[in-house]
Amino acid sequence: AQSVTQPDIHITVSEGASLELRCNYSYGATPYLFWYVQSPGQGLQLLLKYFSGDTLVQGIKGFEAEFKRSQSSFNLRKPSVHWSDAAEYFCAVGPSSGGYNKLIFGAGTRLAVHP
Amino acid sequence: KAGVTQTPRYLIKTRGQQVTLSCSPISGHRSVSWYQQTPGQGLQFLFEYFSETQRNKGNFPGRFSGRQFSNSRSEMNVSTLELGDSALYLCASSLGGSGRTDTQYFGPGTRLTVL
Repeated sequence: AQSVTQPDIHITVSEGASLELRCNYSYGATPYLFWYVQSPGQGLQLLLKYFSGDTLVQGIKGFEAEFKRSQSSFNLRKPSVHWSDAAEYFCAVGPSSGGYNKLIFGAGTRLAVHP
Repeated sequence: KAGVTQTPRYLIKTRGQQVTLSCSPISGHRSVSWYQQTPGQGLQFLFEYFSETQRNKGNFPGRFSGRQFSNSRSEMNVSTLELGDSALYLCASSLGGSGRTDTQYFGPGTRLTVL
């Protein structure tokens, strides 16, 4: 079955510390991969995406993610967290052929940032 | 460019009623997807419309339906509301013509509360 796993439901980091949010997927073929962020009461904002090519992708707000095919992972990183990064983060996968726009989301990781 | 807009932002209905939610995609986008977000089930795909045709459907009962108009605006309808339909309903738009997963841009959502 197709699925996305975000092992950490809740993470707390200090402002200025580095961050890594984990994402693992189970999919029939290499999917397209996305990270979205959601602030309370808001919709989802796209942080970055991986379709093909360089496995290290850069996104907005200083985030990056690395696709590792052998580990079926697409972890999100940021070298120095800001208080404004506190939000919920979702990893999502979609088909790279056929299937069109049907994203499967992980359960999300809620990030808290201590001053 | 204006982003994805959803109306209304908040709705309160009672069990047994029906509701219609509206989504206006980004100008030039022809695909509109709908997702339901609940604390228990997370983000789940409802359906996708492209050029006025439903081309993808999630695992939801027939009480959930949608349509798309010639200007790409989309509506979703939920009939015979149940308490469990209380959720944030998110609409996402994308270009849609590639035959594979596009980058989807999300609206702010409609918060539906069923009493």
